[in-house]
Amino acid sequence: DVKVTQSSRYLVKRTGEKVFLECVQDMDHENMFWYRQDPGLGLRLIYFSYDVKMKEKGDIPEGYSVSREKKERFSLILESASTNQTSMYLCASSPGQGTSYGYTFGSGTRLTVV
Amino acid sequence: DAKTTQPNSMESNEEEPVHLPCNHSTISGTDYIHWYRQLPSQGPEYVIHGLTSNVNNRMASLAIAEDRKSSTLILHRATLRDAAVYYCILRDGWDDKIIFGKGTRLHILP
Repeated sequence: DVKVTQSSRYLVKRTGEKVFLECVQDMDHENMFWYRQDPGLGLRLIYFSYDVKMKEKGDIPEGYSVSREKKERFSLILESASTNQTSMYLCASSPGQGTSYGYTFGSGTRLTVV
Repeated sequence: DAKTTQPNSMESNEEEPVHLPCNHSTISGTDYIHWYRQLPSQGPEYVIHGLTSNVNNRMASLAIAEDRKSSTLILHRATLRDAAVYYCILRDGWDDKIIFGKGTRLHILP
């Protein structure tokens, strides 16, 4: 079964810490995405990548950066965690540009910043 | 991004068909209609997509209006496991990113 795996299901970090959220897919997909999901706000796109070493800003990139050194891995980095970054973070991948392809999502990482 | 409108919530009885509506009056010719669902405590899951013709797969059917300004996701026989938030999304033919709306929360009554 194809998979998108997020390294942690739950994470608690302190304000000001640098936080790494890891996402790995085993489907040889070109595209990878990071979303955050908050009650009442739904899913919002943070960053995405169409290829290794490429990245594009989504709707809410402020306070985040990303890294894609290998095709299968897409990391989301919180440079200095703040309490307003407490959220559910969801990673997704898709095979390539073209609307016939659905996304595959990971199970999510629930991050709490204290 | 073209916008979709869905009811906030719907209820249905177990083992009955469910019709989930979606309006997308500003859809463009290159937009595909995609549906995802999100079960409690899980990431969203792809359900089905289409462009102009009705589509069927093992999970659901997608009925698309002739003018493409609306569509309906059909679950033929709802089970308790179908209780989820269902998202209707327009996906541009050139842009691979997906923008989610608020979706419809589907409650299934035993």
